[in-house]
Amino acid sequence: ILNVEQSPQSLHVQEGDSTNFTCSFPSSNFYALHWYRWETAKSPEALFVMTLNGDEKKKGRISATLNTKEGYSYLYIKGSQPEDSATYLCAFPVYNQGGKLIFGQGTELSVKP
Amino acid sequence: GAGVSQSPRYKVTKRGQDVALRCDPISGHVSLYWYRQALGQGPEFLTYFNYEAQQDKSGLPNDRFSAERPEGSISTLTIQRTEQRDSAMYRCASSLVAGGSTDTQYFGPGTRLTVL
Repeated sequence: ILNVEQSPQSLHVQEGDSTNFTCSFPSSNFYALHWYRWETAKSPEALFVMTLNGDEKKKGRISATLNTKEGYSYLYIKGSQPEDSATYLCAFPVYNQGGKLIFGQGTELSVKP
Repeated sequence: GAGVSQSPRYKVTKRGQDVALRCDPISGHVSLYWYRQALGQGPEFLTYFNYEAQQDKSGLPNDRFSAERPEGSISTLTIQRTEQRDSAMYRCASSLVAGGSTDTQYFGPGTRLTVL
């Protein structure tokens, strides 16, 4: 059974703090890792699709790194703002099963002004 | 609209009734996925289509659940004889490429199903 783990489960930071959280996934049969941002009552919004070991992607103040050999990815937010408050989900495509994604439980980020 | 749409957005039904949930993917997207999301959890895979062909239905919980995409565009997820445990957010996603693991999946707003 594939397991995608995210930690911490929730995080509370002050505006301006930088923060990071982790997604752990199986290191064998790696295709890609997806990161999504999800605000309650909205659709999950795609952030990154990461494919190469050592990959680093950036979107504004959000960046992500990937280590496929040890099976983890970090998501960083620099200078958190209240509008960054959301749940951040990672998802792992199942080997040889098309685009079927296994999602982690998410990290819920709350940024206080 | 340019995004994935789902209808209805909210559905309240009585136990034992059948429900049909609709997904309209982004125009031209080949793959369509159905997920179920419980409160506080990430989405859980149910089934997916490439064009009109159902490729994988391993996530459907039991035979009360079925899905179709007869013309390779709009899809319907049907739950027969609903039970209270079926209450959840049902999300649809589409992607441009056929079953591509590296292709971004674009999610719809979901249908919140409540079974009384």
